[in-house]
Amino acid sequence: KAGVTQTPRYLIKTRGQQVTLSCSPISGHRSVSWYQQTPGQGLQFLFEYFSETQRNKGNFPGRFSGRQFSNSRSEMNVSTLELGDSALYLCASSSGLEQFFGPGTRLTVL
Amino acid sequence: KNEVEQSPQNLTAQEGEFITINCSYSVGISALHWLQQHPGGGIVSLFMLSSGKKKHGRLIATINIQEKHSSLHITASHPRDSAVYICAVIGIQGAQKLVFGQGTRLTINP
Repeated sequence: KAGVTQTPRYLIKTRGQQVTLSCSPISGHRSVSWYQQTPGQGLQFLFEYFSETQRNKGNFPGRFSGRQFSNSRSEMNVSTLELGDSALYLCASSSGLEQFFGPGTRLTVL
Repeated sequence: KNEVEQSPQNLTAQEGEFITINCSYSVGISALHWLQQHPGGGIVSLFMLSSGKKKHGRLIATINIQEKHSSLHITASHPRDSAVYICAVIGIQGAQKLVFGQGTRLTINP
């Protein structure tokens, strides 16, 4: 089975712009979770989608949003980018409790 | 206080040494993950535990649910084991929301 894929792998944006990141889970996995990793805060949970419904949400502002499509692919969007949004964004797909991580999208906000 | 605490934060050892990384958590959990992250960002799930002990090659993970404590051991350590090791837990609710420790940066010198 192919692993979790994320696109793009690297992205540079400027403050105020918005960005959309994509995650394709392992075939058959219906749950996709998103995480943000920064040097200061470490890894933090953003949200989880299961069968096109947001099932859980972390403590992030409303500028961070996501969705999941019927084929389980997920996107996350960050609007009005701030410098502090520079991070590695990871998604993970799961079937049961075990999670499988994608390679991440490294976002730099200038 | 963080819900998941790891120790030590940094560990440097010589090739061949036995390595132990500890993880303590303060919440009820469905499962605990040990993750490995190499420079460049990709995260690999090493183990998922809900009880007892698991072994994979030179890696051993144990968990004591009553004491809310887990350990990751590396036998006959090798420079390629140099990475950040992260403990993460899934709460009792079972939703795919990982709560992470701050990570242990392991360096194995030849």
